[in-house]
Order: sequence, then structure tokens, then C-alpha cells
Amino acid sequence: NAGVTQTPKFQVLKTGQSMTLQCAQDMNHEYMSWYRQDPGMGLRLIHYSVGAGITDQGEVPNGYNVSRSTTEDFPLRLLSAAPSQTSVYFCASSFGETQYFGPGTRLLVL
Amino acid sequence: GESVGLHLPTLSVQEGDNSIINCAYSNSASDYFIWYKQESGKGPQFIIDIRSNMDKRQGQRVTVLLNKTVKHLSLQIAATQPGDSAVYFCAEKPADSWGKLQFGAGTQVVVTP
Repeated sequence: NAGVTQTPKFQVLKTGQSMTLQCAQDMNHEYMSWYRQDPGMGLRLIHYSVGAGITDQGEVPNGYNVSRSTTEDFPLRLLSAAPSQTSVYFCASSFGETQYFGPGTRLLVL
Repeated sequence: GESVGLHLPTLSVQEGDNSIINCAYSNSASDYFIWYKQESGKGPQFIIDIRSNMDKRQGQRVTVLLNKTVKHLSLQIAATQPGDSAVYFCAEKPADSWGKLQFGAGTQVVVTP
């Protein structure tokens, strides 16, 4: 199994641009989530999904959209990037309570 | 609000010694706790977890202790090795929120020769 995969690894955006961060898992996990990690801080939950077709907001959802059309994929969309969204983004999936993380996407918004 | 926090932001440990990383939590409703290790440039890696009905759980070279009376969680690493150098995060899950982990800020562990 590849586990949780994320693309791209690194991205630079200009303010106002849009992009989609991709996340996929091949473990047939129902639960998937997106976190952001800022320097000196722990991970903060952006959005999560308990199964295909079901999504909900986490702690810091503003500026981000998600959808879950399949069990495997959980993309995160930035509709209009802002410098405050410069961060490292991690996707995670789980069957039970233990979440397994992808390698992350480092995003820089200028 | 309630949050998970760590006592020590940086821990320097000599190779071969035991490491103890501490974590305080304030949400008495949390029923699941987990430790992650994060190496530079990588995603968090699961180390060990424990449920609130347990006080102690052991893995390979790691032990997690849970003291619900004082809301304290610790991770012990035996015979610390250079490969243990990383940031360690504790996280808690409130009983009424399936899968929604709350993370502490992390502790940087530096293993010196």
C-alpha cells in the first residue's frame, strides 16, 4: 500500500490565485481530514470527512473548500489564496481513531 | 478554551539515556490520546496511543503513561538513539468527536552523542 499520498510537494501561489491540493489513500479508510501546520504550532484541523459525500468543518475552515466524491480522494481547494494561508498542509486518513498522515504540501502565498 | 499543551518545547538527551516527554491536557472528556513523531520535512508518524481506561501502554522502546487525575500524558523513550531526534506531538480526542484530534504545539527532542 502507498498509504496517504499528497501532491504537489511544494507550491508557490500569488495572492488571489486558486489551487487544489490533492490527497489520496489506498487503505479504504472512511475518515479523512486536512490539517495545517504553522511554525511553532501543532496541527490544526481544517476540514474532515467521515465518508464519501460527507464533509464538515474543523477548527480553521475559512478560505478552504473540500469535497469527497470517492472513498480514496479528498481534495482541498483554495479559491482565492491569501498570504495567511502560507503553511504546510497535511492530509490524514483513519479507519478507527488512529490517523495516518501524508508527507505534506508546503504552500507559499506571495 | 480547553487545549493540549506541552511543558517543554525543547529536550536535549544524551544518546543511550531515557527520554521523557510530557504533555498536559485540560479536556476531561477526552477518551483517546496519541503520540506522533515528526521528522524534518515529513508528515507525523504514529508512535503509540492509549485510551482513557488505561494508565500505561508499552510499545517497542516507548511507553505512554496517562494520569487522568492531573490530566497528564507522558511518552518515555528508552535508550534514546540519534534517529529519535524529531518533534513529538501529543494529541487528544474528545469523547463526543469521532476522529477530531486536538494537537499540542510539540516538543523538539535533540539527541546528542
